[in-house]
Amino acid sequence: EIVLTQSPGTLSLSPGETATLSCRASQTVSSTFLAWYQQKTGRAPRLLIYATKTRVIGIPDRFIGSGSGTDFTLTITSVEPEDFAVYYCHQSVTSHPWSFGQGTKLDI
Amino acid sequence: EGQLVESGGGLMQPGRSLRLSCTGSGFIFGDHGVSWVRQAPGKGLEWVGLIRTAAYGEATDYAASVRDRFTISRDDSKGIAYLQMNGLKTEDTAVYYCTKFWHGYSPDLWGQGTRVLVSS
Repeated sequence: EIVLTQSPGTLSLSPGETATLSCRASQTVSSTFLAWYQQKTGRAPRLLIYATKTRVIGIPDRFIGSGSGTDFTLTITSVEPEDFAVYYCHQSVTSHPWSFGQGTKLDI
Repeated sequence: EGQLVESGGGLMQPGRSLRLSCTGSGFIFGDHGVSWVRQAPGKGLEWVGLIRTAAYGEATDYAASVRDRFTISRDDSKGIAYLQMNGLKTEDTAVYYCTKFWHGYSPDLWGQGTRVLVSS
């Protein structure tokens, strides 16, 4: 089983600042199979980035995914008020059970 | 982009069985895998299991926590996937989301979720 560990648990920022969210895997994850989701309270998660760095159509370019191997990062440059939410990383490596990180709450 | 709608949630006693349905529309259902993800109250996302397309033999995989109790199936002619949950436990209480995925990529569409409460 691949365990994803996200840090920090909570990130408190002000609008305009840059958020850096980390996702560390317990074993190597192909970049094809690492994604990021945003979840707002009471709503279903929304896919932001797949294959480590590819933004879903309509996602602003302030959301930037990067990383490789076991270390992946979601950077949100100049955070907007609507970006405050919980973010999850997810791996879908073939022949391994899928898993999510425990989440990072981006807080004002 | 399409839509997924879950149904079948409710209040169940421990040990009982429940079947959730996931109806897809607006896309070719048979071309996409379906996975189920749950979220216990106030907790994070937990992957439950998946079923791949017919091209992949409708192969299934499950999280260890549900492997011997839950079964995922699909009926592409109806555009519906199912999550059969047997031997329910209180720790199965959660919102259950149906999602679709393409090949090995992470799910790109989620339903609104259906609530399952397991309590005596």
